[in-house]
Amino acid sequence: ILNVEQSPQSLHVQEGDSTNFTCSFPSSNFYALHWYRWETAKSPEALFVMTLNGDEKKKGRISATLNTKEGYSYLYIKGSQPEDSATYLCAFCNYGQNFVFGPGTRLSVLP
Amino acid sequence: KAGVTQTPRYLIKTRGQQVTLSCSPISGHRSVSWYQQTPGQGLQFLFEYFSETQRNKGNFPGRFSGRQFSNSRSEMNVSTLELGDSALYLCASSPVGESVTDTQYFGPGTRLTVL
Repeated sequence: ILNVEQSPQSLHVQEGDSTNFTCSFPSSNFYALHWYRWETAKSPEALFVMTLNGDEKKKGRISATLNTKEGYSYLYIKGSQPEDSATYLCAFCNYGQNFVFGPGTRLSVLP
Repeated sequence: KAGVTQTPRYLIKTRGQQVTLSCSPISGHRSVSWYQQTPGQGLQFLFEYFSETQRNKGNFPGRFSGRQFSNSRSEMNVSTLELGDSALYLCASSPVGESVTDTQYFGPGTRLTVL
């Protein structure tokens, strides 16, 4: 059974703080890693799809890095805003092409 | 472009019944994946359809099945419902065949309650 972990489980930060969280996944048979943002009462929104070791992707104030050899990815948010409050999910895909989601990190940004 | 749509949005059934959920992907998208989200298990992959064929399948019992039509619309069926099937069912579409590296676009979900 593939295990994808995310830490921390939840996080409260003040508006303007920068923050980061971790997704850990099996380092063997890696194919792709997805990051999603899921706001309450909305659909999950794709942030990044990462496939190469050492990949770094950026979208506005959000960026992500990938280390496939050691099995982790970091998501960074610079200058958090209240609208960044959401659950951030990562999903690991192996060569069997099944998506395995982590439990998510719930971020609350306090004004 | 219209987003992914799912119908119905809410559904209440009783144990032993069956249910069919529908998903219409974004126009032009050929891959549709289904997911189950429960508080205890998180988001779990059910199956993926591409060009009317099931291409990948998660670890769910045979009571969970699906199909895809020629217009890429997909349905998911759950037979002999159990209390534990109460969940949010999400579908996602992606444009081309390599769904694990494609961006996935999620629908709003169908909230199923089994009494």
